[in-house]
Amino acid sequence: GEDVEQSLFLSVREGDSSVINCTYTDSSSTYLYWYKQEPGAGLQLLTYIFSNMDMKQDQRLTVLLNKKDKHLSLRIADTQTGDSAIYFCAEKAGANNLFFGTGTRLTVIP
Amino acid sequence: GAVVSQHPSRVICKSGTSVKIECRSLDFQATTMFWYRQFPKQSLMLMATSNEGSKATYEQGVEKDKFLINHASLTLSTLTVTSAHPEDSSFYICSAGLASDEQFFGPGTRLTVL
Repeated sequence: GEDVEQSLFLSVREGDSSVINCTYTDSSSTYLYWYKQEPGAGLQLLTYIFSNMDMKQDQRLTVLLNKKDKHLSLRIADTQTGDSAIYFCAEKAGANNLFFGTGTRLTVIP
Repeated sequence: GAVVSQHPSRVICKSGTSVKIECRSLDFQATTMFWYRQFPKQSLMLMATSNEGSKATYEQGVEKDKFLINHASLTLSTLTVTSAHPEDSSFYICSAGLASDEQFFGPGTRLTVL
């Protein structure tokens, strides 16, 4: 089945940029997503990128996709304490099913 | 934007009892709803895909007789955990899909089985 991997933890200082990485195995992915999960809450869609795009920018968020290497990244500029959360990448391959990575816990140090 | 609600947000029950979790799309009709389970410090695992008016499609390893899914209308899907055991304790999240393929997630339900 599809395999989506992320590093588990990332710590950055407030004001710095955060880069969260994700690798996936299914080359037929159509969309790739980044979700944010705050403690005890559901998932919030942050942004997504279509598989024929290389980059998408949305305010402080920049998504880079290297389809050849099956590598996706999320860059958060000027990271704030409110950005502390778990970030999941997910790929959509085929029907409506999403396959999630393990999640990266981002800790922002004041 | 599209809103999905879940009820209850938190439930504690005794072993052997059944618990029903509701997932509602509040401002749109969802032909497909998905149920996920999240273990502590782990990712989301898709349990089943629920289509309105038909039987749910369960992922491998998910017991359909234990996790009963009913999708009675275009705005409501329910997950019933039957004869709950402590190992069923988890965070259950539903999502509802639009025809555009975008999914919207509910806030989740934390189930604790004593």
